[in-house]
Amino acid sequence: EVQLVQSGAEVKKPGESLKISCKGSGYSFTSYWIGWVRQMPGKGLEWMGIIYPGDSDTRYSPSFQGQVTISADKSISTAYLQWSSLKASDTAMYYCVVTYSSGWYDYWGQGTLVTVSS
Amino acid sequence: EIVMTQSPATLSVSPGERATLSCRASQSVSSNLAWYQQKPGQAPRLLIYGASTRATGIPARFSGSGSGTEFTLTISSLQSEDFAVYYCQQYNNWPQVTFGQGTRLEIK
Repeated sequence: EVQLVQSGAEVKKPGESLKISCKGSGYSFTSYWIGWVRQMPGKGLEWMGIIYPGDSDTRYSPSFQGQVTISADKSISTAYLQWSSLKASDTAMYYCVVTYSSGWYDYWGQGTLVTVSS
Repeated sequence: EIVMTQSPATLSVSPGERATLSCRASQSVSSNLAWYQQKPGQAPRLLIYGASTRATGIPARFSGSGSGTEFTLTISSLQSEDFAVYYCQQYNNWPQVTFGQGTRLEIK
């Protein structure tokens, strides 16, 4: 069974750094792209970026380029999304996703809620 | 960027009736269109890919159609568990995928 298990909810202050994680299991982690999707409170879905853990090839949405960093550690089948300086506008639910087809998103993590407030 | 527009924003339908949700792309995406269902407090779930292929485990009452710029998701006989928000997604320009803003399907 494919599972994407994300790290727990975070409460941070503006300007702080953060790294959230997504551990994949039940499939070949290094063979499929794994991405991140943002959902702001009460809003829709936005693609942020995606990484191929096999060779760390990473692509970013222009909207998020330079704002976040996506990485992966294939030795522990885990992908990461990190911020160096959070803003209140980063408050959102973040989902990791895996795509077998390099197209649609076959599986989704349970989500990590990030709250940024002073 | 390919803009996806869903209509209506909210659809009120009685259980047992048919629901028809629409999704329009700002340019042709061929059949590279997926549909997802999101229930409150849950992650989205893949329903349809390739515009018309049901994902594993998705009931036959869900069907997708269309190509190019116009797509439809039809739920033939609504069950209580189908009331949720539905999103379309184009992946023709992968990895630059984009989603529609969602249609909320509510009980009438």
